[in-house]
Amino acid sequence: NAGVTQTPKFRILKIGQSMTLQCTQDMNHNYMYWYRQDPGMGLKLIYYSVGAGITDKGEVPNGYNVSRSTTEDFPLRLELAAPSQTSVYFCASSYLNRLDLHFGPGTRLTVT
Amino acid sequence: QKEVEQDPGPLSVPEGAIVSLNCTYSNSAFQYFMWYRQYSRKGPELLMYTYSSGNKEDGRFTAQVDKSSKYISLFIRDSQPSDSATYLCAMSTQGGSEKLVFGKGTKLTVNP
Repeated sequence: NAGVTQTPKFRILKIGQSMTLQCTQDMNHNYMYWYRQDPGMGLKLIYYSVGAGITDKGEVPNGYNVSRSTTEDFPLRLELAAPSQTSVYFCASSYLNRLDLHFGPGTRLTVT
Repeated sequence: QKEVEQDPGPLSVPEGAIVSLNCTYSNSAFQYFMWYRQYSRKGPELLMYTYSSGNKEDGRFTAQVDKSSKYISLFIRDSQPSDSATYLCAMSTQGGSEKLVFGKGTKLTVNP
C-alpha cells in the first residue's frame, strides 16, 4: 500500500494564479480531509469528505474548493491564490470517522 | 482562552533522558486524546490514542490524561535521537474525526 500520496511536493504560485493539489489514497477509506499547517500553528481543517460525492467545510474553507468523485481521490482547488495561502497542505484519510488519521507527506505552497 | 494549548518548545534533551510533553485544554467535552509524531518535512503519524482518563503505555511511550485538570501528557523513557520530531496533541469530543482539534506541536531534539 502506498497509503496517502500527494502531488506536487512543492509549488510556487504568483498572486491570482490557481492550482489543484492532488491527493489519492489506496486504503479504501471513506473519510478524507484537507488540512493546512502554518509555522507555529496547529493543523487547521479546510474541507473534509465522508464519501464519494459528499464534501463539507472545515474551520478555514475560504479561498478553497474540493470535489470527491471517487473514493480514492480528493483534490483541493485554490482559485485566485493569495499570500495568506502560503502554507503546508496535508491530505489525510481515515476508515469511517475513526480518529487515527493517515496523513500524506504534504505539499509546500508559496504564493508570492 | 484557546481550546488546546501546547508549548511549542523547542525542547532539547540528551539521549537517555525522560521527556515530558504536555497539553492543556478548555473544552470539558473532549473525550478522545491523541499524540501524533511528525518528523521534519513529513506528515503526522498517530503515536498514542487514549479514551477518557487514565494511562496508556506502549513501549517507551506513556500517555496520561487527567480530565479533572484538563491536562494530558506524553512521557518518553530512554529517549533516542530517532525520537527527534514535533509532537502534536489532538483531541475530540464524541462528534467524530472532523472535529479533531490539534495543538501547535512541541519540537523535540534528542542529542546523542
